Amino acid sequence: QQQVKQSPQSLIVQKGGISIINCAYENTAFDYFPWYQQFPGKGPALLIAIRPDVSEKKEGRFTISFNKSAKQFSLHIMDSQPGDSATYFCAASPGVSGGSNYKLTFGKGTLLTVNP
Amino acid sequence: DTEVTQTPKHLVMGMTNKKSLKCEQHMGHRAMYWYKQKAKKPPELMFVYSYEKLSINESVPSRFSPECPNSSLLNLHLHALQPEDSALYLCASSLVGADTQYFGPGTRLTVL
Repeated sequence: QQQVKQSPQSLIVQKGGISIINCAYENTAFDYFPWYQQFPGKGPALLIAIRPDVSEKKEGRFTISFNKSAKQFSLHIMDSQPGDSATYFCAASPGVSGGSNYKLTFGKGTLLTVNP
Repeated sequence: DTEVTQTPKHLVMGMTNKKSLKCEQHMGHRAMYWYKQKAKKPPELMFVYSYEKLSINESVPSRFSPECPNSSLLNLHLHALQPEDSALYLCASSLVGADTQYFGPGTRLTVL
């Protein structure tokens, strides 16, 4: 019940295309859903995050869509660029209200390659 | 300043060595974390400190010994490690009671 399932494992997109990564969870106590971007040899960097009270959040070319009833959330990268090539991790935590805000449960990651 | 720094960037050690990893942040965060990340895997939580006190130990072997000497510093002392402990060790920090964790660049550890 603590798992976050992420798909696809890898994704190849042409420059200018849309990259879509999906995550699903089962624990209804999860209250905070961040996406992290990680380049090789670097630490994960917070990209964008959402809470269940909104269905969509957009920051520049990055959008999170959230479906509370389906317990799914996804990351959309519009106008994908070669510089977006990285590993993307979705994550979830119970958040402050859940009392265990420290424990992020990560998906297994998606390796995105954007071809020029 | 929104940066978490980690030193060294790379560390190679033998199984009988004692070494330490260092993490520092000046964002006023009072929660600090150690994660271990193997290649092509997500980060795995090891320890959490809150207000300089250890609050979570994810059943980590005693050859890893964390220390939080003050609100800006977090150390991970290493002793008698095994080759399978080779990984990227990540430090992160957050405000206590806040959800967003900020990660450092990591220390790439190789145990020979």
